[in-house]
Formats: sequence, structure tokens, C-alpha cells
Amino acid sequence: GENVEQHPSTLSVQEGDSAVIKCTYSDSASNYFPWYKQELGKRPQLIIDIRSNVGEKKDQRIAVTLNKTAKHFSLHITETQPEDSAVYFCAASHGMRFGAGTRLTVKP
Amino acid sequence: GAVVSQHPSRVICKSGTSVKIECRSLDFQATTMFWYRQFPKQSLMLMATSNEGSKATYEQGVEKDKFLINHASLTLSTLTVTSAHPEDSSFYICSAREGASGELFFGEGSRLTVL
Repeated sequence: GENVEQHPSTLSVQEGDSAVIKCTYSDSASNYFPWYKQELGKRPQLIIDIRSNVGEKKDQRIAVTLNKTAKHFSLHITETQPEDSAVYFCAASHGMRFGAGTRLTVKP
Repeated sequence: GAVVSQHPSRVICKSGTSVKIECRSLDFQATTMFWYRQFPKQSLMLMATSNEGSKATYEQGVEKDKFLINHASLTLSTLTVTSAHPEDSSFYICSAREGASGELFFGEGSRLTVL
């Protein structure tokens, strides 16, 4: 089945800096790659996703890039704010398995 | 976005009893739903994939006789934890795949505590 690896497990940045989280997947059949943000005690919320027919997608301060050949995709958050602090998960569509998560802390 | 409702949000039960958790897609039909388990500060671990009208596909290491999944309609999947034990205490969360976009929508989650 699909195996999704995510790193780093924790990431601490200063407010205003950028944050990058990376994921790799194993199954070339996966064609949909969502990123979720989970705040403490709450359900995961989709923040951005990308399909395998594009290499990059942007939504304001958030962007995702996909390299199908290398089977990896990344989440980029620019101009980070304290409210971006949460746990972020990546997933790959084939089997909908999640990465281990990245705890992002944005220090004011 | 689409809405997935999960019930109950919290349940406390005695060891040896069974607990049923419901997952409903409120405004779309979901042929596929997923059940996850999440321990504190850990990731979402896929337990099983629930397909409407057929048997669920369980992940390796998940006991199908302990975690019974039923997906009898396009809007409802249930997870029954049978003969629950304290080690089954966890946060269980379901998700449903919306057909057109393929996007996954999550329920609110159910926190199970087995005494």
C-alpha cells in the first residue's frame, strides 16, 4: 500500500518567516495530494491540495509543489503568523494514508 | 464545503461493552469513507476503508472482528468497537470522500474512554 513520509516532525519559526514541510509517497498511482491543518482537539481541515497534472498551486500565503518523478510534494507557508501554529498533515490519494504530521510553532 | 457529522463526540464505557460510532455525510453521497484512529500528539492512522454496499478493507494489524464497520448507505458508515478494553481508548475520526472533487471531509471525531 501507499507509504507517506513527512518531515520535519516539529518546526519552529519566527513570525513573518517562511515554513516548508515536505512529504514523500511511494505509490505512483496516487494523483491527489491534500494538506490538512489540525488544531488541538479539532478535526483536520483542508488547507490546500494539488493534483498530479500540475506542479504548483498557490492560495495567498500557502503554496504546494509536486514533483511526480521524485514522488515528493511540499507545503510552503510564507509570512507566517501565530495563528498558523498547528499540526499539519499531508496525505496521498491512493489509500488516503497520512504522513506523521508536523507541529508548526510560529513565535511572535 | 461538504459536511460530515460524527456522533457521539465523546463516549465513556465500561470494559467489555460495545460502542457504536456513526459517520454521516450530510450534503453529499459518499461511496467511500475512511476510519482513522489518533493517539495524543500522533498522526491519523488509517484503520479501514469503508465502501458502500461491500465489506470494509482493513489495514494490516487492525482486527476486523473487533472493529466492525458497516456502510449500508451512501451517507452513513458506522464503526462498532466490540468488547472494548482500556487500550481501545482513543480519538476515532471518520472521513468521507466527495465524489466530484475527491476531497476528503472529516467528521468531528469521537473520543472513546474505556474504563
